[in-house]
Amino acid sequence: GQSLEQPSEVTAVEGAIVQINCTYQTSGFYGLSWYQQHDGGAPTFLSYNALDGLEETGRFSSFLSRSDSYGYLLLQELQMKDSASYFCAVSPGSGNTGKLIFGQGTTLQVKP
Amino acid sequence: DAGITQSPRHKVTETGTPVTLRCHQTENHRYMYWYRQDPGHGLRLIHYSYGVKDTDKGEVSDGYSVSRSKTEDFLLTLESATSSQTSVYFCAIRGLAGDNEQFFGPGTRLTVL
Repeated sequence: GQSLEQPSEVTAVEGAIVQINCTYQTSGFYGLSWYQQHDGGAPTFLSYNALDGLEETGRFSSFLSRSDSYGYLLLQELQMKDSASYFCAVSPGSGNTGKLIFGQGTTLQVKP
Repeated sequence: DAGITQSPRHKVTETGTPVTLRCHQTENHRYMYWYRQDPGHGLRLIHYSYGVKDTDKGEVSDGYSVSRSKTEDFLLTLESATSSQTSVYFCAIRGLAGDNEQFFGPGTRLTVL
């Protein structure tokens, strides 16, 4: 089967750094993505890693290790607006159809 | 804004009735997806389309059918709604940047009584 695991909740203070881990098991793999979702809103894309290593986009970075079936999202200089749910998602399968299998999400609470 | 709309945005229906949700895009994207989101389950893929009249099943396709007769419209049908299909339904399109980015519509909240 296919599965992803990520922590259900994380709490951090404003200005801090937080790391959200994701481990996955899939048949076939095209990449690991991260999405952010605020309460009542639609998911929005944050990052995508197809190859091992670190991708940086402003305050957010994402890392992938294909050999370990593991990735993480790193959020720096946390702001109150970063309070949201964060989902990792893998693109599985033998054809690059772009379909995604999502983790159950990590709720990040940023405190003042 | 990727130009995705969903209709209706909210719907309450009764068990056993047929329901059709519509996803409309203005970007001429080839790939479109339907997900459902439930507490504790994240987003789960129902069906997806890779072109007009080309569709395939996702993780949770039982009880759902889809159709795509035009590039811009992807319809999700619940032939006979059940209470277990109460959920928030999101449509998404795949971006063109090659990074597997998906753009999501605003969602439809469906309640089956």
